[in-house]
Amino acid sequence: DAKTTQPPSMDCAEGRAANLPCNHSTISGNEYVYWYRQIHSQGPQYIIHGLKNNETNEMASLIITEDRKSSTLILPHATLRDTAVYYCIVKTSGNTPLVFGKGTRLSVIA
Amino acid sequence: GAVVSQHPSRVICKSGTSVKIECRSLDFQATTMFWYRQFPKQSLMLMATSNEGSKATYEQGVEKDKFLINHASLTLSTLTVTSAHPEDSSFYICSARDLDSTNEQFFGPGTRLTVL
Repeated sequence: DAKTTQPPSMDCAEGRAANLPCNHSTISGNEYVYWYRQIHSQGPQYIIHGLKNNETNEMASLIITEDRKSSTLILPHATLRDTAVYYCIVKTSGNTPLVFGKGTRLSVIA
Repeated sequence: GAVVSQHPSRVICKSGTSVKIECRSLDFQATTMFWYRQFPKQSLMLMATSNEGSKATYEQGVEKDKFLINHASLTLSTLTVTSAHPEDSSFYICSARDLDSTNEQFFGPGTRLTVL
């Protein structure tokens, strides 16, 4: 069963902010929201994760709604190198594996 | 950040042969490693969970006798595709969890297997 729902694809102009939505309406209280991305023919790369507070790091910001049923990953100034498939995953912090859905294919356009 | 390496990055083999893929955590210890498979234009599919010093746990539909996993040390796990066939051609990706680093899961660069 898919725990998250993401749009299959999005376009973003280079230099603009990319806002990638994710619905996770059945998230449990102890589940985190993780974001990874996969550039073509490479292994996935960790971006950010959060529980309920908004998070920011050098790569992106994660905005989680108050009811935790959805979140948005924000790439503040998208570049061509940000073109990738972005995966939103919910899981506990324990020693269980990440289970990938279909993700969103983000195309950054010059 | 933590680095996971895989070897080889690309392998081509004849049908019926066996192929071994190595996954190493380079600067951290990983009691648990995960193996994924990815077909073209599809998402990653978890194959098995590998625990150091014990038998791997396979996902439903993954043949444990065909995909042999060994996790003999805290930094090395191997996946052997036995008697490979063209339908086993895929992108194999390993992942390791750094228990000392907020439980982040780090991924290797992947191994492209082509079976002729």
